[in-house]
Amino acid sequence: EAGVAQSPRYKIIEKRQSVAFWCNPISGHATLYWYQQILGQGPKLLIQFQNNGVVDDSQLPKDRFSAERLKGVDSTLKIQPAKLEDSAVYLCASSRRDGAWVYEQYFGPGTRLTVT
Amino acid sequence: AQSVAQPEDQVNVAEGNPLTVKCTYSVSGNPYLFWYVQYPNRGLQFLLKYITGDNLVKGSYGFEAEFNKSQTSFHLKKPSALVSDSALYFCAVGLRGNTPLVFGKGTRLSVIA
Repeated sequence: EAGVAQSPRYKIIEKRQSVAFWCNPISGHATLYWYQQILGQGPKLLIQFQNNGVVDDSQLPKDRFSAERLKGVDSTLKIQPAKLEDSAVYLCASSRRDGAWVYEQYFGPGTRLTVT
Repeated sequence: AQSVAQPEDQVNVAEGNPLTVKCTYSVSGNPYLFWYVQYPNRGLQFLLKYITGDNLVKGSYGFEAEFNKSQTSFHLKKPSALVSDSALYFCAVGLRGNTPLVFGKGTRLSVIA
């Protein structure tokens, strides 16, 4: 099966500019996650969707970050305006949901954002 | 809140030798534990998970991990390391189905020929 797709792979912007990332999960995966991975650290959750509803966005900096998952399939993550500290790799992941069973998350290749 | 500690930033091992990458966790309730591997410029790849049952879990590429509840550990192991195993390894913990994972900071494994 096709994996999680993300675009673009790399993006360089100046601070205060805006940027958007796109993610297409594995077909049939109801749960979608956006993680931020700063160099030298593990991924940190930004937002979790279940179908097209938000399950957890407690760590999303809502004053500048927004995300949506229209129609419960692909998703976009936006930053506006960007700050230097937003330089990181943004990872999208998806997983199945079937009752209470725990499924592993499958990750896309990530988008490396550099804010100058 | 759950947390994961990977006490070693770097692990070096000779090819053919056994390897261990350490992970300890802290969580209220029954943990769900995962290991992922990350190669340069690529996303994380799932290696194995512990949900319940046998404490020894076998995963991809010959890796295995042992869940130890009393020591709150979930160390990753492989009997014979390959140069191609060189990568960044992440341990992660979750609480129940489809909750977000909390990741450790990662351990860089270097296998020397």
